[in-house]
Amino acid sequence: EAQVTQNPRYLITVTGKKLTVTCSQNMNHEYMSWYRQDPGLGLRQIYYSMNVEVTDKGDVPEGYKVSRKEKRNFPLILESPSPNQTSLYFCASKDRLNEKLFFGSGTQLSVL
Amino acid sequence: SQQGEEDPQALSIQEGENATMNCSYKTSINNLQWYRQNSGRGLVHLILIRSNEREKHSGRLRVTLDTSKKSSSLLITASRAADTASYFCATFFYGQNFVFGPGTRLSVLP
Repeated sequence: EAQVTQNPRYLITVTGKKLTVTCSQNMNHEYMSWYRQDPGLGLRQIYYSMNVEVTDKGDVPEGYKVSRKEKRNFPLILESPSPNQTSLYFCASKDRLNEKLFFGSGTQLSVL
Repeated sequence: SQQGEEDPQALSIQEGENATMNCSYKTSINNLQWYRQNSGRGLVHLILIRSNEREKHSGRLRVTLDTSKKSSSLLITASRAADTASYFCATFFYGQNFVFGPGTRLSVLP
């Protein structure tokens, strides 16, 4: 089944403790991206990647890191999480020719 | 920079009625897409309309695009309780990225 898989689904952590949210897609998509969703603000893009070893900042990249060493994986790294990074996070992917985004199920992160 | 803005923010209707949601955007686009989100889950693509199209249909969905007014509307006909969800428009421009609006929360009452 074609899908974007995010893990974990829920994560509670404390300020300053490094964490990684994983994202994997099985559709051979070139493009992958991360969004955060906050009430009243819709989805805001954090980082995106057009292909392996190519990443670019989105609208709200501060406090986040990403890497794209393999085509299928695009992990989101929070080196030193802070409470203002409490949010619902989504990974999405698409192929080069199709402009439709496929989303993961989301990761609800709480930073205490 | 947020580009799409949906209107209304929330909409409540009875089953069987039509639901109309609007989206405005600010800059040039190659296409505009509508997505649906059920209660905190991942977004699901509904329909895409290109900048050279004015109207598109898919089942009970009808999308219009007016590039001169930089606006789009999504019409869901004969709404069902299962249509209860949040709906987002997203604009896409080649070489740039998707920009999502804040969404419209639709409640369809049985």
